[in-house]
Amino acid sequence: QSALTQPASVSGSPGQSITISCTGTNNDIGSYNLVSWYQQHPGKAPKLMIYEVTKRPSGVSSRFSGSKSGNTASLTISGLQAEDEADYYCCSYAGSWVFGGGTKLTVL
Amino acid sequence: EVQLLESGGGLVQPGGSLRLSCAASGFNFRNYAMSWVRQAPGKGPEWVSTIGGSGGSTYSANSVQGRFSISRDNSKNALYLQMSSLRAEDTAVYYCASQEGFSYFDSWGQGTVVTVSS
Repeated sequence: QSALTQPASVSGSPGQSITISCTGTNNDIGSYNLVSWYQQHPGKAPKLMIYEVTKRPSGVSSRFSGSKSGNTASLTISGLQAEDEADYYCCSYAGSWVFGGGTKLTVL
Repeated sequence: EVQLLESGGGLVQPGGSLRLSCAASGFNFRNYAMSWVRQAPGKGPEWVSTIGGSGGSTYSANSVQGRFSISRDNSKNALYLQMSSLRAEDTAVYYCASQEGFSYFDSWGQGTVVTVSS
């Protein structure tokens, strides 16, 4: 499986909303509702933010939401806060797990 | 609170071997699939290997098939990764991760660094 495609960077001002896309193929994102998203601050371990496309783990802010259309999944963060600045990775399960290359979110 | 603590990383020469361990606590370990996920410097995470809760099922990425072996000891709440024939491209931070749901990684350890270099 090839890595999922994410934009290298996105940015937004505090209070704004941003969306990070994650593009796969008919063999992964397009066929399964098994996309997850991870937040990673520098020097820290990834943290699960969204699983099974739209579900939020306990303790994750409702400002984080996920969706999917065709072969592309998206993570939306509303009401941007300074602490949201981090790298974000998507992941799809389709018999094995494949991650995206990551998107660096900058809060201006 | 779920805690995962990796150990065993270090510097190893190409062709060498290393065994990573992960000590788990705070959840019913035997009921969870567990995985190793690695992250090379400046890169995204890469799934390495997964083992079912009972240890009877294992899965590995093509890149490590035949060189890495995942195992677990449910009596000790421990996960292991035996790595052999190590290559420079295996250099990464290795994380252990729990899987309450099989398709995602819900908790991660702090990672252990493996450097393959002569």
